[in-house]
Amino acid sequence: GAVVSQHPSWVICKSGTSVKIECRSLDFQATTMFWYRQFPKQSLMLMATSNEGSKATYEQGVEKDKFLINHASLTLSTLTVTSAHPEDSSFYICSASGDTDTQYFGPGTRLTVL
Amino acid sequence: EDKVVQSPLSLVVHEGDTVTLNCSYEVTNFRSLLWYKQEKKAPTFLFMLTSSGIEKKSGRLSSILDKKELFSILNITATQTGDSAIYLCAADDYNTDKLIFGTGTRLQVFP
Repeated sequence: GAVVSQHPSWVICKSGTSVKIECRSLDFQATTMFWYRQFPKQSLMLMATSNEGSKATYEQGVEKDKFLINHASLTLSTLTVTSAHPEDSSFYICSASGDTDTQYFGPGTRLTVL
Repeated sequence: EDKVVQSPLSLVVHEGDTVTLNCSYEVTNFRSLLWYKQEKKAPTFLFMLTSSGIEKKSGRLSSILDKKELFSILNITATQTGDSAIYLCAADDYNTDKLIFGTGTRLQVFP
């Protein structure tokens, strides 16, 4: 149990376009979802926390208008990188927690912006 | 400021060796300590430790938490090349539900 999926696994896009990444909890209801960004050889950096039905809470230094997060249902959260630029290229990972507070990680999405 | 520190940063061993990875934490609203193994993709969950002194075991991996001295260790016995990965520990904050990650220990196991 406790499976979290992400779609797509890898996306390549042109600079200036927007990219949407989906995070789904497949077999449990995720009251809270977390979005992380990972740079090469570094640990995960929390970007934002979202609770179903409410606005996401962004970490300091993360641009809200740049990284739009929507958590419309108990099984789906989306991260939209708007007007992506090469410096946004990274590995984006979501995690989800339900009743137990344990975070279950998705497999990640690699974003490459040309 | 809350922080999690892992040591060593990097470790290179031969197959069959036993390794101990360290994780110390300073987290005001500490709830639990989690260990993850990260290979090429997202981290995979290994252990969650909430109580001091109770060892958790899964095959060749084991872990224990010391809430008095604020640290945890992850032991891997009879290492195999498949154990090569980055091992992350994270402290769970009960006030914010955030995970505060350490920088990880990179383990390389050679045949």
